[in-house]
Amino acid sequence: EAGVAQSPRYKIIEKRQSVAFWCNPISGHATLYWYQQILGQGPKLLIQFQNNGVVDDSQLPKDRFSAERLKGVDSTLKIQPAKLEDSAVYLCASTPSGRAGSTDTQYFGPGTRLTVL
Amino acid sequence: AQKVTQAQTEISVVEKEDVTLDCVYETRDTTYYLFWYKQPPSGELVFLIRRNSFDEQNEISGRYSWNFQKSTSSFNFTITASQVVDSAVYFCALSEPFGTSYGKLTFGQGTILTVHP
Repeated sequence: EAGVAQSPRYKIIEKRQSVAFWCNPISGHATLYWYQQILGQGPKLLIQFQNNGVVDDSQLPKDRFSAERLKGVDSTLKIQPAKLEDSAVYLCASTPSGRAGSTDTQYFGPGTRLTVL
Repeated sequence: AQKVTQAQTEISVVEKEDVTLDCVYETRDTTYYLFWYKQPPSGELVFLIRRNSFDEQNEISGRYSWNFQKSTSSFNFTITASQVVDSAVYFCALSEPFGTSYGKLTFGQGTILTVHP
């Protein structure tokens, strides 16, 4: 079974530029998560999708970050415009179930390392 | 709100030593799950173990063992006879399956483990 795929693996941009990350979850997984991991810290949830609907985006800086999962499969996370403090690893994870109370384990992709200069 | 604390920022040991990584958590829910993930230098988060709040049995898997104590809100991880390949950042995490963002993982800050030959 293929794991969670993410691209690109690395991205370097200048501040105020735009960038987009892509995630393809494990086949059939209903729930998809985007996490931001700043160097030296644990990952923090940005947004959670169940199929193509948003479950939680309370920690997403909506003035510059956006995310979509239009067909309930793969997802794109965008930053526009980027700031220096957006330098981080962006991790995608997925689980099979979309139900509250589920006991699924999250499996993570390799992440995209973003450097903003 | 949930919180996970890993008080040890960095641990350095010599190969074959035993090492314990501490994890303390806070939650108001009676049903929750605790996890340990390993993040090697490649950056991908690798799932190690999941425990639910109703199962306080300790678990052993090869050189790895976990001690879950609800009375002290702790979920500690021990590596016996450490090896150089165990060098990584280890994260403890908590999820509340019936919370607003069900399944969301709240991570600790991570413990950097370095095993010297």
